Amino acid sequence: GQQVQQSPASLVLQEGENAELQCNFSTSLNSMQWFYQRPGGSLVSLFYNPSGTKQSGRLTSTTVIKERRSSLHISSSQTTDSGTYLCAMEPGTGSNRLTFGKGTKFSLIP
Amino acid sequence: NAGVIQTPRHKVTGKGQEATLWCEPISGHSAVFWYRQTIVQGLEFLTYFRNQAPIDDSGMPKERFSAQMPNQSHSTLKIQSTQPQDSAVYLCASSLGLGENTLYFGAGTRLSVL
Repeated sequence: GQQVQQSPASLVLQEGENAELQCNFSTSLNSMQWFYQRPGGSLVSLFYNPSGTKQSGRLTSTTVIKERRSSLHISSSQTTDSGTYLCAMEPGTGSNRLTFGKGTKFSLIP
Repeated sequence: NAGVIQTPRHKVTGKGQEATLWCEPISGHSAVFWYRQTIVQGLEFLTYFRNQAPIDDSGMPKERFSAQMPNQSHSTLKIQSTQPQDSAVYLCASSLGLGENTLYFGAGTRLSVL
């Protein structure tokens, strides 16, 4: 079954609002990674986050292993934040293989 | 550091023809991954190598897909007798393979099978 559930599938906000994206995973975790992709663009790594909270500018990633979830928070969103955000889990089995969620398509209204 | 380099960026083949996709990982990275991306399925794992050795090819359609890593500076993905359902963006990624295993993706090869 699906090991990584990502929500919401799409999100439309007004510029300046905060966004919260979620990933839930069903197996043991070594790390969660978050990526960003513009339409037609390549995947850009945002965070490698095995547990706890990491921040980079307006982006914050929080992984809570006991609750089997990871979140990405975007504060004061800007039109340049539009695109697709994907989470990917690296299992706790020793494999480096990542399993991706289906992504959240994020759009901003100016 | 030029990042992960994939060639060609676009490839169009006729049904039944062969397609070979190339990937040059970031120098010093020991793990190389192949994924494909479609709108319907999202990102699907195909295969990966560590130190040039195949580690996991469980995502590869067995009959027509094969991947090689003859040296540490490049990997190829070959699709024989291409079918329309093979149309996708094929993504190569590399990582250090140890510790913080962040994946760095190439721009992808868009394969269109007519």
